[in-house]
Amino acid sequence: LAKTTQPISMDSYEGQEVNITCSHNNIATNDYITWYQQFPSQGPRFIIQGYKTKVTNEVASLFIPADRKSSTLSLPRVSLSDTAVYYCLVGDSNTGGFKTIFGAGTRLFVKA
Amino acid sequence: NAGVTQTPKFRVLKTGQSMTLLCAQDMNHEYMYWYRQDPGMGLRLIHYSVGEGTTAKGEVPDGYNVSRLKKQNFLLGLESAAPSQTSVYFCASSSSSGGADEQFFGPGTRLTVL
Repeated sequence: LAKTTQPISMDSYEGQEVNITCSHNNIATNDYITWYQQFPSQGPRFIIQGYKTKVTNEVASLFIPADRKSSTLSLPRVSLSDTAVYYCLVGDSNTGGFKTIFGAGTRLFVKA
Repeated sequence: NAGVTQTPKFRVLKTGQSMTLLCAQDMNHEYMYWYRQDPGMGLRLIHYSVGEGTTAKGEVPDGYNVSRLKKQNFLLGLESAAPSQTSVYFCASSSSSGGADEQFFGPGTRLTVL
């Protein structure tokens, strides 16, 4: 079962770029890497997903090295509203076995 | 589109009481999930369903039962509530396996068992 390891917390200032790295040494060939964001008293919200190399959307970038044993979520120019918990997940599309596990996540605190 | 809705939003139970949490989605998703989240912790999967009429156990299924009689609804039941089941419960849905597909979450149900 693929497990992920993330830093427990991170601090940043408004306008800075934030990089959160997730370790997933046991990632399987078919596994995708997905990141979610959760604000207090809300359900998690999908941010970005990737399989290899780099993926970018309007809110974040995801960097995945060739061995896929880690991944880095990059948030450009964070604002106070980016203060949240960020979860890294690995899982596959094999309908015979559901493997997605949410870890404890990384608490990002953005200061003014 | 309401997305994923959960009923009720809050509930207080006494030990030994029973209740059912209702999750509904209007996105025609095949997969539905129930998670619990304890303070300061990540989400843990209780049960999930890969389609109407099917259910399967997740990480922490003990003390809970589920049913998926209709594709759009996923019910979570507590037959005899215990204080250890005090938590926030989130329902989610996805069009395919949650490992490779975006899960859409509901707003959560905050349950307290006294």
